[in-house]
Amino acid sequence: DSGVTQTPKHLITATGQRVTLRCSPRSGDLSVYWYQQSLDQGLQFLIQYYNGEERAKGNILERFSAQQFPDLHSELNLSSLELGDSALYFCASSVEAGVLSNEQFFGPGTRLTVL
Amino acid sequence: GQQLNQSPQSMFIQEGEDVSMNCTSSSIFNTWLWYKQDPGEGPVLLIALYKAGELTSNGRLTAQFGITRKDSFLNISASIPSDVGIYFCAGPKNNNDMRFGAGTRLTVKP
Repeated sequence: DSGVTQTPKHLITATGQRVTLRCSPRSGDLSVYWYQQSLDQGLQFLIQYYNGEERAKGNILERFSAQQFPDLHSELNLSSLELGDSALYFCASSVEAGVLSNEQFFGPGTRLTVL
Repeated sequence: GQQLNQSPQSMFIQEGEDVSMNCTSSSIFNTWLWYKQDPGEGPVLLIALYKAGELTSNGRLTAQFGITRKDSFLNISASIPSDVGIYFCAGPKNNNDMRFGAGTRLTVKP
């Protein structure tokens, strides 16, 4: 158990819908990262928040957004869902802000299926 | 897209055999990380390498950071059934963007 929790574990929805994925980092970690893992694209970095502020953006679509709240939990919002958005979405947390020399602890993931 | 080329894509080995997998890039990385992902779980960090030429062990696992800073390998000695999973190499493209290889899927036959 990494100490990172994600809910829900599974989510099935239809195209065009909007969903919210939730992540609680390890106690004491200020940084939260979101990743998408799909069969054809592998593990892709989406976005990072540090202590409530957006820190870095990776391959995140404009239909996706995230935020980190004062209690440090984070939510990833996916809207206008398409079939290709079906994937595993992982949250990771770390103590520090940068990825260099910085161990990230991954949650168990949310499996999103768009029908 | 991914900038880390990981090979082999999959491996089927007998319990007790040694395993070697590697990761290469056309770009220089200053940190190499190796993760393992079990089915239904998130990746778990196995070994982190921060210095070119560095050789680091974690139990039966050994990883090296290539001298050119463009490659790394991971060896697993005397494999056991619980070594089954997907192994990923990763490296930060900059201080805020982690890149992952496509993974090596390891199957260990008892």
